[in-house]
Amino acid sequence: AQKITQTQPGMFVQEKEAVTLDCTYDTSDPSYGLFWYKQPSSGEMIFLIYQGSYDQQNATEGRYSLNFQKARKSANLVISASQLGDSAMYFCAMRANNAGNMLTFGGGTRLMVKP
Amino acid sequence: KAGVTQTPRYLIKTRGQQVTLSCSPISGHRSVSWYQQTPGQGLQFLFEYFSETQRNKGNFPGRFSGRQFSNSRSEMNVSTLELGDSALYLCASSKDRAQETQYFGPGTRLLVL
Repeated sequence: AQKITQTQPGMFVQEKEAVTLDCTYDTSDPSYGLFWYKQPSSGEMIFLIYQGSYDQQNATEGRYSLNFQKARKSANLVISASQLGDSAMYFCAMRANNAGNMLTFGGGTRLMVKP
Repeated sequence: KAGVTQTPRYLIKTRGQQVTLSCSPISGHRSVSWYQQTPGQGLQFLFEYFSETQRNKGNFPGRFSGRQFSNSRSEMNVSTLELGDSALYLCASSKDRAQETQYFGPGTRLLVL
């Protein structure tokens, strides 16, 4: 079974500053994928970034980067140069590669960007 | 390319009724998964369909069921609705199973009175 923990229920960040959202995971599967999704108040889940368990380098997608520390089982999301539109819920999710497309989600972090 | 679409977007039902939600995946995507999101339980996996077959099922009662058609469109059905079924139901699609990113639709907000 997989478990995802997001310890920050809510966070504030000043516009144009960087912010790190924490995610730790637990799994006994050797092969897995880690995802971050953004959920604005409209409800749609927007894919941000993906990291495979065997990827040697940390994933990056524009202003998003994933700080993957496999030994510590952490997959923190870093957003650089925060924008007002980044205010939303952020979810970390995991998929074991032997579990088809079943995603296990963390409880989420609400990010609020201050002007 | 059009994204994942879900209909209806909002729905109000009463206890004991049944409901059917629809999901059309991104063109070319063959896997469709369903998730339930509530304030208390968070996001929980319901089931996954691929090639018209249920491949995976979450820990939900048998009142929750689904199916997938030959064009990959999927429906989920909830019978004998309970107040606790009030939730945002999200559908996600991917090209294939495992090692593929899932893209979500806007969701259907179901309110059970």
